[in-house]
Amino acid sequence: SYELTQPPSVSVSPGQTAIITCSGDDLGEKYTSWYQQRSGQSPVLLIYHDSKRPSAIPERFSGSISGNTATLTISGTQVVDEADYYCLSWDTTTSYVFGSGTSVTVL
Amino acid sequence: QVQLVQSGAEVKKPGASVKLSCKASGYTLTSYVMHWVRQAPGQRLEWMGWINPDNGNTRYSQKFQGRVSLTRDTSASTAYMELSSLTSEDTAVYYCARDHPPDGFGPWGQGTLVTVSS
Repeated sequence: SYELTQPPSVSVSPGQTAIITCSGDDLGEKYTSWYQQRSGQSPVLLIYHDSKRPSAIPERFSGSISGNTATLTISGTQVVDEADYYCLSWDTTTSYVFGSGTSVTVL
Repeated sequence: QVQLVQSGAEVKKPGASVKLSCKASGYTLTSYVMHWVRQAPGQRLEWMGWINPDNGNTRYSQKFQGRVSLTRDTSASTAYMELSSLTSEDTAVYYCARDHPPDGFGPWGQGTLVTVSS
């Protein structure tokens, strides 16, 4: 079955840049979206189509793709950005697949 | 604004079925595919399937094929997810999420906790 791998955790100081990766076979040939899930809350769409940002999402969130790795970058990380982050892509055999999730700690 | 409001928490016994609802407001239900996603305690998000409310077409994750049924009532602007033959491993928060073309999910409902326990 198709799998998307993320680092379990990322730590960042306030104001610094957090980088979260998502790797999967042939990911560069698919599209990736990213979600933020704060503790006890529903996920929120941050990035779709690899790098597009919904209008309500702050500009400090950006997405990119290189080879088979998608990257979510949080520039000028704030305390409110402390959350779990998931990538999502699509595979012809398993349909939609979420990544393993990355816990971002801001300290 | 677009909002998805889900039904309340459920407690079920093993072997039972559960049917959850997701009421859409702020847009026309038939205009977007609706996804269902679940999250077991401390686990990652898991896609279950989608329904096209316009024509009722569905696609299910192979993991849930035969055990899940997605339906809709367009007059009530509501989508439904029914899961049968419940086990303790089905204890999770279940979310509905509107499709965000071309490849995203959003917005999401507030989630419904389903607890399966004898």
